[in-house]
Amino acid sequence: NAGVTQTPKFQVLKTGQSMTLQCAQDMNHNSMYWYRQDPGMGLRLIYYSASEGTTDKGEVPNGYNVSRLNKREFSLRLESAAPSQTSVYFCASTWGRQNTEAFFGQGTRLTVV
Amino acid sequence: AQSVTQLDSHVSVSEGTPVLLRCNYSSSYSPSLFWYVQHPNKGLQLLLKYTSAATLVKGINGFEAEFKKSETSFHLTKPSAHMSDAAEYFCANYGGSQGNLIFGKGTKLSVKP
Repeated sequence: NAGVTQTPKFQVLKTGQSMTLQCAQDMNHNSMYWYRQDPGMGLRLIYYSASEGTTDKGEVPNGYNVSRLNKREFSLRLESAAPSQTSVYFCASTWGRQNTEAFFGQGTRLTVV
Repeated sequence: AQSVTQLDSHVSVSEGTPVLLRCNYSSSYSPSLFWYVQHPNKGLQLLLKYTSAATLVKGINGFEAEFKKSETSFHLTKPSAHMSDAAEYFCANYGGSQGNLIFGKGTKLSVKP
């Protein structure tokens, strides 16, 4: 049982390049999330998908797009990377109901130069 | 609106002494509260969760937390710190109808020998 799998683990981009972060969960969870983690800022929600076919903006959506490809997969795209997007990105999933814990991937460490 | 405030960005204790990590929340709903731990370069792991069944919640690795509605607090404690407890700890509250977890900014716990 792999849980939540994120790829890649590390990435270096040049300013203006694009890339997609992939996330897949095998727990049949309804809801999936993308967070970014920056020192002293905790985890901030970028986008989330409450259920298959729906996506909504979180706290810091600018510069990002998402796709909920199916129930298992939720990808995050940076169309034109900027140094301010240097961060650690975490994907998470839950059943989507209150009281249920979130399961996290191992993170993607992205550096934009 | 839901929010989470972790009152200390950094806590330092000696091995064998008690640990107290403080978390206050605000919530329009009956809260669902969580503590997660993140070891260096790792993802987040659930320590414990409050789901209204009991105000004192026991988690993994000897940690526990007490829900105090009158104080809107959910502080994390451990009677005796171990070197392996050195990590960053995040308090989180379920976002109600938005269906996402809202995180505090984190408390970094250092354990001195």
